[in-house]
Amino acid sequence: NAGVTQTPKFRILKIGQSMTLQCTQDMNHNYMYWYRQDPGMGLKLIYYSVGAGITDKGEVPNGYNVSRSTTEDFPLRLELAAPSQTSVYFCASSYGQPNTEAFFGQGTRLTVV
Amino acid sequence: GQQLNQSPQSMFIQEGEDVSMNCTSSSIFNTWLWYKQDPGEGPVLLIALYKAGELTSNGRLTAQFGITRKDSFLNISASIPSDVGIYFCAGCTGTASKLTFGTGTRLQVTL
Repeated sequence: NAGVTQTPKFRILKIGQSMTLQCTQDMNHNYMYWYRQDPGMGLKLIYYSVGAGITDKGEVPNGYNVSRSTTEDFPLRLELAAPSQTSVYFCASSYGQPNTEAFFGQGTRLTVV
Repeated sequence: GQQLNQSPQSMFIQEGEDVSMNCTSSSIFNTWLWYKQDPGEGPVLLIALYKAGELTSNGRLTAQFGITRKDSFLNISASIPSDVGIYFCAGCTGTASKLTFGTGTRLQVTL
């Protein structure tokens, strides 16, 4: 029972570098989400997807891009890393309405220096 | 955007004590969820509430969906050391099942 799997677990980036955070789920969930969690704060929604081929912006999308070519995968791309993107990133998935319970991965801790 | 105010921010209690925390919103939610986050881990779902007034239990945990749909509370009875962590409320509305999270209640349990 893998659930939601995120890679890598840790990463240090230099300012201006790019990277992709990987997320895959094996629960056949339609909905997938990317959140970021800053120290001492709750989670803020970056992007979400309600199915393969469909993505939409969340609360804090600037500086990020996503794609959803398959039901299982929902990668998050940072094109030009900035110190403000230092955070812990969580991917989540859910069946969607009416069952809105989201299941989370273990997170990717990203530091931009 | 929507905001969830969660209180208290932190709690220090003794093992065996009961705990109560709550979450209030400026807007209505259709679903309330309570999550627990351990250090270095992702949030894990504790309880889901789908109906105004609903009271749901999961072992020593009890949560309620407020009648106004703008608040929820979580009670933990007879706390134990493994209850230590950060508890988040989350509200959901809309067709995309997007969650709005509170800022968390950090719980410490002393022996």
